Amino acid sequence: QQQVKQSPQSLIVQKGGISIINCAYENTAFDYFPWYQQFPGKGPALLIAIRPDVSEKKEGRFTISFNKSAKQFSLHIMDSQPGDSATYFCAASTQGGSEKLVFGKGTKLTVNP
Amino acid sequence: DAGITQSPRHKVTETGTPVTLRCHQTENHRYMYWYRQDPGHGLRLIHYSYGVKDTDKGEVSDGYSVSRSKTEDFLLTLESATSSQTSVYFCAISGDRGRYNEQFFGPGTRLTVL
Repeated sequence: QQQVKQSPQSLIVQKGGISIINCAYENTAFDYFPWYQQFPGKGPALLIAIRPDVSEKKEGRFTISFNKSAKQFSLHIMDSQPGDSATYFCAASTQGGSEKLVFGKGTKLTVNP
Repeated sequence: DAGITQSPRHKVTETGTPVTLRCHQTENHRYMYWYRQDPGHGLRLIHYSYGVKDTDKGEVSDGYSVSRSKTEDFLLTLESATSSQTSVYFCAISGDRGRYNEQFFGPGTRLTVL
């Protein structure tokens, strides 16, 4: 019940295309859903996050879509660029308690020029 | 970058030896976390701290212990390292709930146990 399932494991997109990464969860107590971006040799960094009171959040080329009834959320990267090539992790947590995040297993995105 | 440093950045050790990894923050954040990252497993929480001397276990705590005697330092100890503990270890910090759980990660420590 604490798991967050992420797919696909890897993704190859052409420059200018749309990258879509999906995550699903079971624990209905989760109420915070961030996405982290990680470049090789670096620690993950927060990219964008959403709370379940909205169905979509957009920041530049990055959009989170959230479907509360289906317990799914996804990251869309519009106009994908080679510089977006990285590993992306979805995560979930509850606001109360110990502030722990549960992470998906990651998606390695490659954007070809 | 958030003020987080990890030391050492790389370490090679032998099976059975004790190893201590250090995480140091300059942000005065309350929460600190230790994760390990392995291919196909993503980030898995080892231990976390919600204050000085207040720690709790995460998902993969067996074989690890932690200590936090000061706000700024969080130590991860492998009492007797095993090859299965070869991994990249990340420390993270987060502040109060007003930050909506944003965690800031350190640069990582690559540990190899031979």
